[in-house]
Amino acid sequence: GENVEQHPSTLSVQEGDSAVIKCTYSDSASNYFPWYKQELGKRPQLIIDIRSNVGEKKDQRIAVTLNKTAKHFSLHITETQPEDSAVYFCAATDSWGKLQFGAGTQVVVTP
Amino acid sequence: EAGVAQSPRYKIIEKRQSVAFWCNPISGHATLYWYQQILGQGPKLLIQFQNNGVVDDSQLPKDRFSAERLKGVDSTLKIQPAKLEDSAVYLCASSSGDTIYFGEGSWLTVV
Repeated sequence: GENVEQHPSTLSVQEGDSAVIKCTYSDSASNYFPWYKQELGKRPQLIIDIRSNVGEKKDQRIAVTLNKTAKHFSLHITETQPEDSAVYFCAATDSWGKLQFGAGTQVVVTP
Repeated sequence: EAGVAQSPRYKIIEKRQSVAFWCNPISGHATLYWYQQILGQGPKLLIQFQNNGVVDDSQLPKDRFSAERLKGVDSTLKIQPAKLEDSAVYLCASSSGDTIYFGEGSWLTVV
């Protein structure tokens, strides 16, 4: 089955700097890669997703890149703000369409 | 648009007791999921329904966990008897297509 690895597990950035989270996956048939943001005690919320026929997607300060050959994808947050502090999860669908999550990255944005 | 509704939000039980969680998905979503999220980890799929049929329950501990979705809408997840390691957030989610939307979760503490 699909195995998704996510790095780093924690990330501390100064407000205004950029944050990058990287994920790798194992199933070459995976074709959908969402990113979720989870604030403490809240539900995971989809912030951006990308499909395998696209290499990059951007939405305001958030962008995701996908390298299918290397089987890795990354989340980029620019001009970070304190409200970006949360746990971020990457995920990938396996060949059965089941979504497999990474272990999460705790992002802390310090003023 | 109403989101995924779950109840109860919080539950504390003693080991060997039973507990049931209820979920109402987003209207019109045929696919319903139950995930288990242990503190500090990503969500792990327990069971996936398509309408009222089970698509995947390979990671459901069937000796103690059961789930049903009798009319293809609401779903219940039951644990009996509970163990200490079942302490987690139980997230219900639904989808129509690739995007999965999560409920706020039911927090279970087994003491």
